[in-house]
Amino acid sequence: GEDVEQSLFLSVREGDSSVINCTYTDSSSTYLYWYKQEPGAGLQLLTYIFSNMDMKQDQRLTVLLNKKDKHLSLRIADTQTGDSAIYFCAEIFGSSNTGKLIFGQGTTLQVKP
Amino acid sequence: DTAVSQTPKYLVTQMGNDKSIKCEQNLGHDTMYWYKQDSKKFLKIMFSYNNKELIINETVPNRFSPKSPDKAHLNLHINSLELGDSAVYFCASSQDLTSGTSGRYNEQFFGPGTRLTVL
Repeated sequence: GEDVEQSLFLSVREGDSSVINCTYTDSSSTYLYWYKQEPGAGLQLLTYIFSNMDMKQDQRLTVLLNKKDKHLSLRIADTQTGDSAIYFCAEIFGSSNTGKLIFGQGTTLQVKP
Repeated sequence: DTAVSQTPKYLVTQMGNDKSIKCEQNLGHDTMYWYKQDSKKFLKIMFSYNNKELIINETVPNRFSPKSPDKAHLNLHINSLELGDSAVYFCASSQDLTSGTSGRYNEQFFGPGTRLTVL
């Protein structure tokens, strides 16, 4: 089936770490993604992970993938007020790479000074 | 220089009208998409075109008709607008996915969105 789920809201203090969680259903997904949407703007790819990896680190971002549990997480270290946005988890649906992205509902990250 | 652009940014119209939203990308991509984002921020794919050919057509009312005059443009025409069509519509583009090349992570580049309000 096509289902990606995320918690809707997360609030952290500036300087803390943020962890946004996501579960997905399609075990044949080759890539999983994190997109960021700032207010009034389109989505921007933040990072992605290939399905044969467990972890990917990119500066302040760490992506963890647990294929057995179909669980994906995004950790943002030293969260800044500029990180306030909606974060979408997404998977490519199906093993044939048609480009069909299934998005989660988005997690609104609020960073308090 | 904007990579994926959409016009108009805002569209307010009456129920029953017909309207179009235009999208253009200057990235040289072969694949373009339309997504609908509802008031709860839920984002769902509507259509996808590759080299002017329709490859994804989700369960969308046939009042919605995408048109791709060339691979840099994908327009969305909506007939007989209904209240439930109110949403933000995003266009996106990515590299060709049907070439058979594996290992591409398919970054999709999104436009700024068109907020459609049907009264």
